Amino acid sequence: DTAVSQTPKYLVTQMGNDKSIKCEQNLGHDTMYWYKQDSKKFLKIMFSYNNKELIINETVPNRFSPKSPDKAHLNLHINSLELGDSAVYFCASSRTQTVQPQHFGDGTRLSIL
Amino acid sequence: QKEVEQDPGPLSVPEGAIVSLNCTYSNSAFQYFMWYRQYSRKGPELLMYTYSSGNKEDGRFTAQVDKSSKYISLFIRDSQPSDSATYLCAMRPNNNDMRFGAGTRLTVKP
Repeated sequence: DTAVSQTPKYLVTQMGNDKSIKCEQNLGHDTMYWYKQDSKKFLKIMFSYNNKELIINETVPNRFSPKSPDKAHLNLHINSLELGDSAVYFCASSRTQTVQPQHFGDGTRLSIL
Repeated sequence: QKEVEQDPGPLSVPEGAIVSLNCTYSNSAFQYFMWYRQYSRKGPELLMYTYSSGNKEDGRFTAQVDKSSKYISLFIRDSQPSDSATYLCAMRPNNNDMRFGAGTRLTVKP
């Protein structure tokens, strides 16, 4: 069973559209994250949730809105997609919000036409 | 200056070589240090996780942390073609605000 799973794996859409990416973890972890990896492979944190509550919100446009219906799920909704949003988005989870390593999903490749 | 500096490579070595990967950092608040391996079109996979200065060994992998110099290393002994991947260093203070290096792309040639 995949520990951290994301859907879809690939997302190709046009500028201006709204799209969502879903993430689920079956590890029983309390904390989940969204990262963006750009074309140069640089991974940058976007959001962090602990037990469904937002604890990190880096400087990210408010077109990006995370939602955590329960502690095993963290979804990412993006409004009015722009060309610069093209990247790979990774979901991750950790047992707690401190002192624990993070486990990653395989990413969602978002391409904006 | 970036908080975490990592040479992106690419680095190419023959099979069986010892590989040395390095990162430097500027934030003295970083306390926990990790190395991740990322294969093409996959998510980062945790390889090593260390807290204190010194060495930690796991099979062919050794992680080294020197907090006084703000320098961490990952050594891979007897490198194999299956080790070909991008290696990311990561570090964090005593919270979950993790910072990654840019990743070093490694190719091990048979």
